[in-house]
Amino acid sequence: GDSVTQMEGPVTLSEEAFLTINCTYTATGYPSLFWYVQYPGEGLQLLLKATKADDKGSNKGFEATYRKETTSFHLEKGSVQVSDSAVYFCALSEGDKIIFGKGTRLHILP
Amino acid sequence: DTGVSQNPRHKITKRGQNVTFRCDPISEHNRLYWYRQTLGQGPEFLTYFQNEAQLEKSRLLSDRFSAERPKGSFSTLEIQRTEQGDSAMYLCASSLAGLGEKLFFGSGTQLSVL
Repeated sequence: GDSVTQMEGPVTLSEEAFLTINCTYTATGYPSLFWYVQYPGEGLQLLLKATKADDKGSNKGFEATYRKETTSFHLEKGSVQVSDSAVYFCALSEGDKIIFGKGTRLHILP
Repeated sequence: DTGVSQNPRHKITKRGQNVTFRCDPISEHNRLYWYRQTLGQGPEFLTYFQNEAQLEKSRLLSDRFSAERPKGSFSTLEIQRTEQGDSAMYLCASSLAGLGEKLFFGSGTQLSVL
């Protein structure tokens, strides 16, 4: 079946550093791609999405571009904040359901 | 607050007992999903409903697990004869068909089987 592989954490950065969290996918069709985020003590929520090749999803300063040629959807942010500390999940759509990666825990130090 | 609500938040049970969890989705959402999450892993799909119809069930799901959504509103997930391996966070999410990719998650029910 379809699957998502994302870099293992935890990732620890200083405030204002550049962030990249790698994500690659395996799919038989043309899925939509997502990043979901789970802040401490909160439920999972959608951060951004892209529905077709070369689309760029963006939200809250985060960006990810759907790269069909490399089957990737890497998450980037130019300058992270302490409030970005959370667990980030890369995901894809398979039919009507969402398949999630294992998650990457991000710690931002002040 | 009209978010997804799950009850109870925590459940501790002894091996072999039956447990039932409840999920109340966002009222206008016609799709409801159940996922399971263990420590260090992402959510694993279990099953989903569109209105009251259960449209897909994971092949990995034991027949000890059953879910219902009798009136197309709230849903229950029952686990019979619990095992220690069932210990996990059980997540519910809802969405609108057609915009189904944006899932709204509840806070989950943490199950501990002793």
